[in-house]
Amino acid sequence: DGGITQSPKYLFRKEGQNVTLSCEQNLNHDAMYWYRQDPGQGLRLIYYSQIVNDFQKGDIAEGYSVSREKKESFPLTVTSAQKNPTAFYLCASMARGLETQYFGPGTRLLVL
Amino acid sequence: QKEVEQDPGPLSVPEGAIVSLNCTYSNSAFQYFMWYRQYSRKGPELLMYTYSSGNKEDGRFTAQVDKSSKYISLFIRDSQPSDSATYLCAMSLMDTGRRALTFGSGTRLQVQP
Repeated sequence: DGGITQSPKYLFRKEGQNVTLSCEQNLNHDAMYWYRQDPGQGLRLIYYSQIVNDFQKGDIAEGYSVSREKKESFPLTVTSAQKNPTAFYLCASMARGLETQYFGPGTRLLVL
Repeated sequence: QKEVEQDPGPLSVPEGAIVSLNCTYSNSAFQYFMWYRQYSRKGPELLMYTYSSGNKEDGRFTAQVDKSSKYISLFIRDSQPSDSATYLCAMSLMDTGRRALTFGSGTRLQVQP
């Protein structure tokens, strides 16, 4: 079955700690995206990557970092610089030539 | 003003009703229009995808795009309790740059049995 997996489902972060959210896809999609979802605000773009070894900042990149070393993987690190990290984080991918994105199941990040 | 406006609801309807969900947008350059369904604490699931203006039907779902009014709609016929979810509209530009989607904030739908 092709799809997008995200782990963990829930993640707890302590003050001053960096945490990494995993996103893997086996759809052979070129582009991958990270969104943050807060209640009543829809999805906001954090980072995106169109090809391996290249990524760009989205609308709310401050306090986050990413890497794209493999086509299948696009991990997101929430750094200690992100002062309000509590949110639902969604990873998505998109095939070349199409304009629709497919989403993973999400990771809920909570601050202890 | 947000680029995409969507009434947050909740919208409560009885089972079997026809549901109308809507979004308005301000950027006339949007060319691709999508509707996603999101169950609580799950990732969004693509329901409908439309390019430019017109209608598209898939089972109980019909998507309409009126680019002249910058208005899109999703109709659900014979609504079921299992349709209870948040519905997100999304749209994108016909560009080769970031190819990202712009989302509405979502409308929460409750179908009462």
